[in-house]
Amino acid sequence: QVQVVQSGGEVKKPGASVKISCTASGYTFINHGISWVRQAPGQGLEWMGWITPYNGRTTYAQKFQGRVTMTTDTSTNTAYMELRSLTSDDTGIYYCAGEAAAGILVYWGQGTHVTVSS
Amino acid sequence: EIVMTQFPATLSMSPGERAILSCRASQSVNTNLAWYQQKPGQAPRLLIYGATTRATGIPVRFSGSGSGTEFTLTISSLQSEDFALYYCQQYKNWPPWTFGQGTKVEIK
Repeated sequence: QVQVVQSGGEVKKPGASVKISCTASGYTFINHGISWVRQAPGQGLEWMGWITPYNGRTTYAQKFQGRVTMTTDTSTNTAYMELRSLTSDDTGIYYCAGEAAAGILVYWGQGTHVTVSS
Repeated sequence: EIVMTQFPATLSMSPGERAILSCRASQSVNTNLAWYQQKPGQAPRLLIYGATTRATGIPVRFSGSGSGTEFTLTISSLQSEDFALYYCQQYKNWPPWTFGQGTKVEIK
């Protein structure tokens, strides 16, 4: 069965960076794009960007351009999302989600809590 | 950016009742519309894609309709496990894919 496991929670100081991993199993990793979605405390879902493990091509939401980098390692079926220059507004739960097809997010990780606090 | 608007924000229902959730797009997304369910402390779960197609394992009491700018998610007879948050999402134009702000279905 499909499993998507994310790395554990992080506590960071303002100005720092965070890098979250997302390891998939049970489906052909290289054939499915991965989106990263953020959820601030008590808020809705916000799409951050997308990467295809096939060739590493990325598309980022304008809001995160210049501050986010998404990568994949096909040898370990793992996707990574690094977010830099963190502020308290970046506190929230970060999800990775594998796509069934473009934009259809079917394989969700359990989420990674990121807290940004001085 | 396509703005997705969901209404109502909260739906107070009793088990066994029919729930109708609405989602409106600021411009046409054709049928590139998905619905997700999220329970407290859990990741979202895909319910519906292509506006009307149930995802694998989703009970038949969940149905989606609409196209263009107006969409509906109907839960024909609410079960206890259906009380949750529901989000619509468009995937016609990107970046970004955009979500509605959510509808909470709560027990009356």
